[in-house]
Amino acid sequence: DGGITQSPKYLFRKEGQNVTLSCEQNLNHDAMYWYRQDPGQGLRLIYYSQIVNDFQKGDIAEGYSVSREKKESFPLTVTSAQKNPTAFYLCASSIVGVGYSNQPQHFGDGTRLSIL
Amino acid sequence: KNEVEQSPQNLTAQEGEFITINCSYSVGISALHWLQQHPGGGIVSLFMLSSGKKKHGRLIATINIQEKHSSLHITASHPRDSAVYICAVGYGGATNKLIFGTGTLLAVQP
Repeated sequence: DGGITQSPKYLFRKEGQNVTLSCEQNLNHDAMYWYRQDPGQGLRLIYYSQIVNDFQKGDIAEGYSVSREKKESFPLTVTSAQKNPTAFYLCASSIVGVGYSNQPQHFGDGTRLSIL
Repeated sequence: KNEVEQSPQNLTAQEGEFITINCSYSVGISALHWLQQHPGGGIVSLFMLSSGKKKHGRLIATINIQEKHSSLHITASHPRDSAVYICAVGYGGATNKLIFGTGTLLAVQP
């Protein structure tokens, strides 16, 4: 079955440490997104990518970095510069392009990141 | 003021009740999405609509573009409907970017 796989489900980070969250999709979607979810707040966009080797900052990109070397993969690195990284992180993908506006986004099951 | 507002924030219902969750938005949109988030955290897309009404099983979604308002209805609610329901609006055209509401936590008691 096609879908999005996020790993790990739970992740713990020590102070000053970078961690990388994995997101893989086999839906053949061009666009991928990373969101952060905090209690009482809506999902907020961290980064998005519409095509391989290209990505754009979202609303809260500071302290995060991404890469898009393959269509299927869009890993998110939470760097030590992110001062409040404890949150639930969701990855999504969708079809985009000319003639494909307003497509549903498909979500992974998320990664919960906590600080030790 | 948030660009996407949902009400109520929390809702408790008895099994079998008719449920309505509301979503108001203040930006121009190209489509409105209703999503369901289960306790484990995964999110499923329920509806995407830009006008009128859509129905899937016991779920009905409506949108009034002039009033910038949408509703999600659940008929004959069941405990398995317990989840967070999230409204999101699409505004980014070809980028398919979304703005999300804060969600409505629904608990359906047997």
